[in-house]
Amino acid sequence: EPEVTQTPSHQVTQMGQEVILRCVPISNHLYFYWYRQILGQKVEFLVSFYNNEISEKSEIFDDQFSVERPDGSNFTLKIRSTKLEDSAMYFCASSEEANSGYTQYFGPGTRLTVL
Amino acid sequence: AQKVTQAQTEISVVEKEDVTLDCVYETRDTTYYLFWYKQPPSGELVFLIRRNSFDEQNEISGRYSWNFQKSTSSFNFTITASQVVDSAVYFCALSEYKAAGNKLTFGGGTRVLVKP
Repeated sequence: EPEVTQTPSHQVTQMGQEVILRCVPISNHLYFYWYRQILGQKVEFLVSFYNNEISEKSEIFDDQFSVERPDGSNFTLKIRSTKLEDSAMYFCASSEEANSGYTQYFGPGTRLTVL
Repeated sequence: AQKVTQAQTEISVVEKEDVTLDCVYETRDTTYYLFWYKQPPSGELVFLIRRNSFDEQNEISGRYSWNFQKSTSSFNFTITASQVVDSAVYFCALSEYKAAGNKLTFGGGTRVLVKP
């Protein structure tokens, strides 16, 4: 069964460093998302991406964040200058078109630890 | 603005007991979707069910069942005859209908602990 994959599974970085989190969505999906979950808290929406542009972003997704689909398979989240409070689990998700009701399938997550 | 409330933060049951997880939502949209996801101890988010706002039919899938009531804005989830493998955090989520993708608004989650 097709699934969303994410790399790395765990990333440790120093405050102020740039990180890139990588995702490979399900191949026939057109909509891509990033969410984050601070330890023990709810899952929060960061950004959605469709047709090579951001379709919606939350207030969390400030200028330090960016997303890109550099080729036909990868979807990346970049954090330019990490802060301690960026430590969280980051989930990538993808979904098909509108007639499927936008069910989002999630990857296993990348745990980001900022020291 | 959308909001999802899961009032129960943690439920502990003994194996074979039934457990019901409550979910109450708020939205101004007339067309929306409701979801349940399971997050086992390994951390991934596993899709369980999606419900459309115009379909209030309840659903059963094995030991899982869902009760959608628009009148009370609730979408409750019952696990019948619980098993240790059901131990996880369960999230209810809501999305509005949009033409270009849609964000999920999650509730705070309910941790279910099934003891042998």
